[in-house]
Amino acid sequence: DIVMTQTPLSLSVTPGQPASISCKSSQSLLHSDGKTYLYWYLQKPGQSPQLLIYEVSSRFSGVPDRFSGSGSGTDFTLKISRVEAEDVGVYYCMQGIHLPITFGQGTRLEIK
Amino acid sequence: EVQLVESGGGLVQPGGSLRLSCAASGFTFSSYSMNWVRQAPGKGLEWVSYISSSSSTIYYADSVKGRFTISRDNAKNSLYLQMNSLRAEDTAVYYCARAGITGTPVDYWGQGTLVTVSS
Repeated sequence: DIVMTQTPLSLSVTPGQPASISCKSSQSLLHSDGKTYLYWYLQKPGQSPQLLIYEVSSRFSGVPDRFSGSGSGTDFTLKISRVEAEDVGVYYCMQGIHLPITFGQGTRLEIK
Repeated sequence: EVQLVESGGGLVQPGGSLRLSCAASGFTFSSYSMNWVRQAPGKGLEWVSYISSSSSTIYYADSVKGRFTISRDNAKNSLYLQMNSLRAEDTAVYYCARAGITGTPVDYWGQGTLVTVSS
């Protein structure tokens, strides 16, 4: 199984400041079809997860442009340019290139 | 608006069975593959099972293979998970989750239903 490792596991950010989360996979997520199957989700307190970023860097419908994704191969990053109070929750990266689909451990973001 | 509403969770004894349902609306259910993903209390996310739009392709996580069965009824816009031989470690919130048309494994999630396996 592909292991997804996120760092840090928790983050405390002042509103208006940037935040960054790293995700590393144990195998390359680049498929022969040219796509890289790396995704980012946010689970707000008491809610189900919601898709933020698909295929490394594409924002899902309705996701604010302060969220951005980057990376390639096995190393990926989610960045929030200016954190807002509504961004609190747990962020998960996920790989979809090989079954079983696997998730990172999650990174908890709180507001200072 | 995509809506996925799970039901059927509850308290069950070890070794027991439970059937989860997911009612889909707001999209053409028969065109989309679907998944079940679970989350143990206070823990992370674990993919459980996948079913293609026509039910021709089905996959399971090793942890549930042989005990869980995924199915769907496109006429009823519904997804199911039959869970047998339940164990304490199956205790979790179970989410019904849609796979995107363009290849995204999971794009929309339901609100989840809690399954508790305990004597």
